Amino acid sequence: AQKITQTQPGMFVQEKEAVTLDCTYDTSDPSYGLFWYKQPSSGEMIFLIYQGSYDQQNATEGRYSLNFQKARKSANLVISASQLGDSAMYFCAMVGSNTGKLIFGQGTTLQVKP
Amino acid sequence: DAMVIQNPRYQVTQFGKPVTLSCSQTLNHNVMYWYQQKSSQAPKLLFHYYDKDFNNEADTPDNFQSRRPNTSFCFLDIRSPGLGDAAMYLCATSRGGGLHNSPLHFGNGTRLTVT
Repeated sequence: AQKITQTQPGMFVQEKEAVTLDCTYDTSDPSYGLFWYKQPSSGEMIFLIYQGSYDQQNATEGRYSLNFQKARKSANLVISASQLGDSAMYFCAMVGSNTGKLIFGQGTTLQVKP
Repeated sequence: DAMVIQNPRYQVTQFGKPVTLSCSQTLNHNVMYWYQQKSSQAPKLLFHYYDKDFNNEADTPDNFQSRRPNTSFCFLDIRSPGLGDAAMYLCATSRGGGLHNSPLHFGNGTRLTVT
């Protein structure tokens, strides 16, 4: 079985500062992919960043980076230089090679303060 | 631009009155998914199609059905909506083929209200 856990229901960050959103996972699949999605209040689900279980380096996409620690089964999202437009719900998600299904964590609501 | 399109954006239906939500894609992806997302919760997978193969989640109520007449279109049918079915319904696609590095592409969702 697969499980994704996000333990921070809500986070605040000051504009222009960095913030880390936590994500831990559990799976028995030999290989898997980890994703972060952003969901603004309008409801669309926006893909941010991907990390493969066999990737040696942490993924980065612009201001987003993924702090992947495989032994600890964590895949934290780091947003640098926060902007007001970053205020949204953030979901960590995983696809296992055996199941092929994307499952989501509970989400973290991020609010960026001016 | 290639995309996933859901219609309508907002749908209001009456308790017990069948309703159909639609999703189309121009990405030519093999896999199409339907998720249900209730307020402030994570999206929950209802079912998915890999090409024509239908895969139902074990805890998806029988009230929910799906059709995929061709690669581009997928429908979600709710046969007798209850008040608890009010939610955002998200359609997504992916290339599939065991490629777990293929991100899902989501539509903008249909927000269903049941009166």
